[in-house]
Amino acid sequence: AQKITQTQPGMFVQEKEAVTLDCTYDTSDPSYGLFWYKQPSSGEMIFLIYQGSYDQQNATEGRYSLNFQKARKSANLVISASQLGDSAMYFCAMRVYSSASKIIFGSGTRLSIRP
Amino acid sequence: KAGVTQTPRYLIKTRGQQVTLSCSPISGHRSVSWYQQTPGQGLQFLFEYFSETQRNKGNFPGRFSGRQFSNSRSEMNVSTLELGDSALYLCASSTPTSGGTQETQYFGPGTRLLVL
Repeated sequence: AQKITQTQPGMFVQEKEAVTLDCTYDTSDPSYGLFWYKQPSSGEMIFLIYQGSYDQQNATEGRYSLNFQKARKSANLVISASQLGDSAMYFCAMRVYSSASKIIFGSGTRLSIRP
Repeated sequence: KAGVTQTPRYLIKTRGQQVTLSCSPISGHRSVSWYQQTPGQGLQFLFEYFSETQRNKGNFPGRFSGRQFSNSRSEMNVSTLELGDSALYLCASSTPTSGGTQETQYFGPGTRLLVL
C-alpha cells in the first residue's frame, strides 16, 4: 500500500531562515512522482515542486528545493530565506504511475513564520 | 491562461438535501480530480475523470457521484447530505504527459460546503 507521512504537525521559523519540511513515503512501485503543495488560509492548493522517481537531480524552483533521498524514501522540502507569506499548510503528495494511479496526500505541516 | 474555477465558492445545505458542485479545468486539461478536505480526515481522493470517463475512484459511498462533459468541465453530486459531508471540496485538473509522468495537478479555490 502507498503511504505519505509528514511527522511535523506544526513548525515555527524566524523570517529569513531556511526551513526543512519532512516527508517520507512508501511504495513498492518503481515509477512515481512526488509533489509539494502549499495551502494558505484561503484554501487553494498551490503547486510548488515536483520530483520524479527516475530524476537524477534534486528538483529546484526558486526558493524551493526538494531533498530527494530515494534509498531512505524521503522527499523533504527546503525553503530558503523564509518570508512571512510562506506561512501556510504544506502538503507532500505522491502519485504512483500504475494503471490505477491516484494522488495521495500526507497530513500536512503548518508552517508559521515569525517576523 | 485562466486557472481552475469552482462554483459555488460557499454553500449551506440541510441534511437530506442534495448538492451539485461544478469545476472548470484549465484550458486544454482533460483530467479532473475531486478531493474532500476535512480537519479530521485531511485530504481524501473522491474520483478522477478523463475524457468523460471515470478512471479512478476513492473510498466514498455511492451518495457521491460525478461526471465529466465533452468540454472537460466536471460536476460532482452528493445526495442525501449528512452532517459529516461538511468540508472543503477541491477540484484539480491536469494534462497527461508522455508515460504519465510529471502529471501535475493544479487546484481550484474549492467549494466550502456546510451541512446543517
